[in-house]
Amino acid sequence: DSGVTQTPKHLITATGQRVTLRCSPRSGDLSVYWYQQSLDQGLQFLIQYYNGEERAKGNILERFSAQQFPDLHSELNLSSLELGDSALYFCASSLRSGMNTGELFFGEGSRLTVL
Amino acid sequence: AQSVTQPDIHITVSEGASLELRCNYSYGATPYLFWYVQSPGQGLQLLLKYFSGDTLVQGIKGFEAEFKRSQSSFNLRKPSVHWSDAAEYFCAVGPPLSNDYKLSFGAGTTVTVRA
Repeated sequence: DSGVTQTPKHLITATGQRVTLRCSPRSGDLSVYWYQQSLDQGLQFLIQYYNGEERAKGNILERFSAQQFPDLHSELNLSSLELGDSALYFCASSLRSGMNTGELFFGEGSRLTVL
Repeated sequence: AQSVTQPDIHITVSEGASLELRCNYSYGATPYLFWYVQSPGQGLQLLLKYFSGDTLVQGIKGFEAEFKRSQSSFNLRKPSVHWSDAAEYFCAVGPPLSNDYKLSFGAGTTVTVRA
């Protein structure tokens, strides 16, 4: 158990809908990261938040947005869903920001299926 | 642009035999290098990482990896595999000294262990 909690574990929805994925980082970790794992694109970095502020952005679509709340949990919002958004969405956390400041711990992922 | 190549999509190895997983990267400078393992239904777990120094890195679960600058490679090895090593393995790179954890992952190698 990495200490990173993601909900829901599985989600099935229809095209055009909106969903919210939730992540609770490890206790004490200030950074939260979102990664997408899909069959065609592999594992891709989406976005990082550090202590409530956006720190880095990757290949995140404009239909997707995220935020980190004062209690440090994070939510990834996916809207106008398309079939291609079906993927496993991982949240990860680290103590601070930067690869040389500590290990990245991954949650078990939220599997999104868009029908 | 940085890229990570894992040439082997699938490797089958007998229990007790040695294992080597290949990873090649394309990067402007020597990146930070990582190997992660993903067991079925689980998140990614860090096996080992290389930032600088000794090019032979020891990790958890008996794994080691060797950084070869001349070959832009970071291959993962284990002398004797156990059935529990059956999983998917990902090589990843990240920009050195960066203030984030924006990793680029390879496509992964699935390891099957036969009795």
